[in-house]
Amino acid sequence: DIQLTQSPSFLSASVGDRVTITCRASQGISSYLAWYQQKPGKAPKLLIYAASTLQSGVPSRFSGSGSGTEFTLTISSLQPEDFATYYCQQLNSYPRAWTFGQGTKVEIK
Amino acid sequence: EVQLVESGGGLVQPGGSLRLSCAASGFTFSSYSMNWVRQAPGKGLEWVSYISSSSSTIYYADSVKGRFTISRDNAKNSLYLQMNSLRAEDTAVYYCARLMAVAGGFDYWGQGTLVTVSS
Repeated sequence: DIQLTQSPSFLSASVGDRVTITCRASQGISSYLAWYQQKPGKAPKLLIYAASTLQSGVPSRFSGSGSGTEFTLTISSLQPEDFATYYCQQLNSYPRAWTFGQGTKVEIK
Repeated sequence: EVQLVESGGGLVQPGGSLRLSCAASGFTFSSYSMNWVRQAPGKGLEWVSYISSSSSTIYYADSVKGRFTISRDNAKNSLYLQMNSLRAEDTAVYYCARLMAVAGGFDYWGQGTLVTVSS
């Protein structure tokens, strides 16, 4: 199975900061990568799909980039509602085991 | 409005069985592939199983293969997960999630149902 490694696992930041989270795949996955935000006690929310396409309704301060094995999620100016855990997920066509990264928790500094 | 509502979770003894359901509304259920994803307490997300819109293609994570069975009833707009031979490590919140397009991402999720495997 394809493994995804997110870094950092934990991030402390202030409102207004620019934040970047990296997701590395153990083998090439083209652009078959999605990013999710999850708040405590809630279901995950899709932010980005196909590595860089913003899901409808998601604020433009969120952006994604990358292809192959290295991907990034960037929050251009962190807002209070953005403190959450973020996960990447690969949806490569083969093998069909759509693994998630281990998560990155973004907390208030 | 798209809604996914899971049910069927609860406390079950090791080796026992449980059947989860996911009721879908607000979209043409028969046109979308669906998934189950779980999250153990305090842990990350784990994809569990996938079923195509017509049930012709099904995949499982290695951790549940041979024990869990995914199915759907398009006439009832419902998704199911039959879980047999349950283990303590299957304890988790189970979410159903819609695949938005081929390899696009899971765009809608239910609220989750908690399964606890314990004696």
